[in-house]
Amino acid sequence: DQQVKQNSPSLSVQEGRISILNCDYTNSMFDYFLWYKKYPAEGPTFLISISSIKDKNEDGRFTVFLNKSAKHLSLHIVPSQPGDSAVYFCAASPRGGWNTDKLIFGTGTRLQVFP
Amino acid sequence: EAGVAQSPRYKIIEKRQSVAFWCNPISGHATLYWYQQILGQGPKLLIQFQNNGVVDDSQLPKDRFSAERLKGVDSTLKIQPAKLEDSAVYLCASSPLLGDSYNEQFFGPGTRLTVL
Repeated sequence: DQQVKQNSPSLSVQEGRISILNCDYTNSMFDYFLWYKKYPAEGPTFLISISSIKDKNEDGRFTVFLNKSAKHLSLHIVPSQPGDSAVYFCAASPRGGWNTDKLIFGTGTRLQVFP
Repeated sequence: EAGVAQSPRYKIIEKRQSVAFWCNPISGHATLYWYQQILGQGPKLLIQFQNNGVVDDSQLPKDRFSAERLKGVDSTLKIQPAKLEDSAVYLCASSPLLGDSYNEQFFGPGTRLTVL
């Protein structure tokens, strides 16, 4: 049962344009959402996050939008740069006491930014 | 600050053999995680420690996988015996503490295991 879904395995965007990566989730108990970026042969690195009490969080070129009613979040990268080429994982953390930082990951979207 | 260290980076074994992976988290991080990432999938949590105690091992195949964090610092993950489907990247991560608010997890580079 895939609780966090990234339905687009890959995305190709021209440098300078906007990249939009999408993520859907099924579990309404998730209350914190994160995006991780992964380069080949490296571990994932944290990019940006959003709490369920917000619908938008912005950090420089990166903005995450959360639509709780649709159980959908998206990551916008503007403008896209070649160095953004990587695999992006959406992750969710369930609500609840001592185990609130358990992460459920999606399958990832490979972003390629070309000149 | 040094990141999460893992070794070896690559390992090739035959099925039914045993293998062990080592992880040294960021200094001072109380919580340590082992994830399995199969090709084309996202990381899946195998086990989570806080200090030297197990917080969650619900997805650890306990008939063949074991993990320990005896002194609450570094950790080892063992597979015995290995199966073909264990071929994956094994990621270790750590975070500062376990509490009510989310703490960012810092990942190591992973160990790529190939079982032939």
